[in-house]
Formats: sequence, structure tokens, C-alpha cells
Amino acid sequence: NAGVTQTPKFRILKIGQSMTLQCTQDMNHNYMYWYRQDPGMGLKLIYYSVGAGITDKGEVPNGYNVSRSTTEDFPLRLELAAPSQTSVYFCASRDFGTGDQPQHFGDGTRLSIL
Amino acid sequence: RKEVEQDPGPFNVPEGATVAFNCTYSNSASQSFFWYRQDCRKEPKLLMSVYSSGNEDGRFTAQLNRASQYISLLIRDSKLSDSATYLCVVNTGTASKLTFGTGTRLQVTL
Repeated sequence: NAGVTQTPKFRILKIGQSMTLQCTQDMNHNYMYWYRQDPGMGLKLIYYSVGAGITDKGEVPNGYNVSRSTTEDFPLRLELAAPSQTSVYFCASRDFGTGDQPQHFGDGTRLSIL
Repeated sequence: RKEVEQDPGPFNVPEGATVAFNCTYSNSASQSFFWYRQDCRKEPKLLMSVYSSGNEDGRFTAQLNRASQYISLLIRDSKLSDSATYLCVVNTGTASKLTFGTGTRLQVTL
């Protein structure tokens, strides 16, 4: 049972570089989310998607972009990496349905910008 | 005021102790509520949903007070393996977006 898969697990970037964090889920979930978690802090929502072709901003979208061309994939793009984007990034998915259904998380991407 | 507030702890308790965590939320329109557990440097995992009637799962009991906008988690007979950060999480409605508290750290010792 793969669930939510994130790649890479670790990455070091130089300031100004770009990269894409990959997220894929095999549960046919409509909803997908990207969060970042800074040390000692809660998760903050970057972007989310309610289905293929539909994305929307979360609480902290600046400096990021997303796309959702398929149900399975929800990549997160950093165009010009900045030290403030050093964080742990989690992707999550959730089935369509009542609000008490849980989100399922990938095991995270640890990103350092130097 | 933060949307979801928790005491960060740490709570240091001996094995076998009972420990309670509290959480308050600011959005009265919040629809559903959860406790997630997060181990060091790992992803959050659902511990349990929280219902108005209160609910129990083994040694864990969750309570919700909508009038006071207050959520609690009680852990009985603490185990070493319960050591983790417990995240209070609120579903704020649209697209089931979740708002996370910063977490309460629990350390269970021998």
C-alpha cells in the first residue's frame, strides 16, 4: 500500500535555484494538499486542490506554484529558492466525502536552501 | 489570536500516568476536529477524530465542547511509546482545509 509518496526525501538547494517537489497518491483521492512545517511550528497550508485541473492558495502560497493535471499527482514548484523556504514539506490527500475523513500524509521532503 | 492554540509543553510524565492535553480554536464555524500524532521528524498520523459526544479509543479519550470551542485529549496508563507531539487539528470547512495547532510534546519516562 503506497498511499502518498513524496520525492525527494532530502534536498539542498542554492539561493535562486528552482526545483519541483513531487507528490503522488494511489488512493484515487480528489483532495490534495501541500504543507510546510518549520521547526517547532504547526503545519501551514501552501496550496490545495479539490480535483484535477483545480488548485487554490492556502495560507502561505508566496514563492510556490502547483499544478494538478491528474488525480494522482500534485507537484509543488519553487521557482527562486530563498532561505526562508528551508522547511519540511508534507503532501497529503483526502477522499471526497464528509468533513471528518482524515488526511493521509506522505513522509515529507526536507529542504534546505543555502 | 491563533486559530488553534495548544500548550507546547513538554509534558514529562512517568509510565502509567494519566495526562491530559487541551486545545482551543477560534473559528466557531469549524466543522470537524482531530488529534494527530507526530513523531520526531516524521509525518503526522491521525490518532482520532473528536466528536461532540466524546469518544474513546483504548487508552485515549477525546472530548469536544463546541460552546467553549475547546478540545481535549486524555491518555491513560501512558506508555513509553506514547512519547510524541500531539497536534490539535480543526477542519475549517472549504475543501476540508485543516488548521493545525503547534502541538503539545509528551515525553513518557520510566
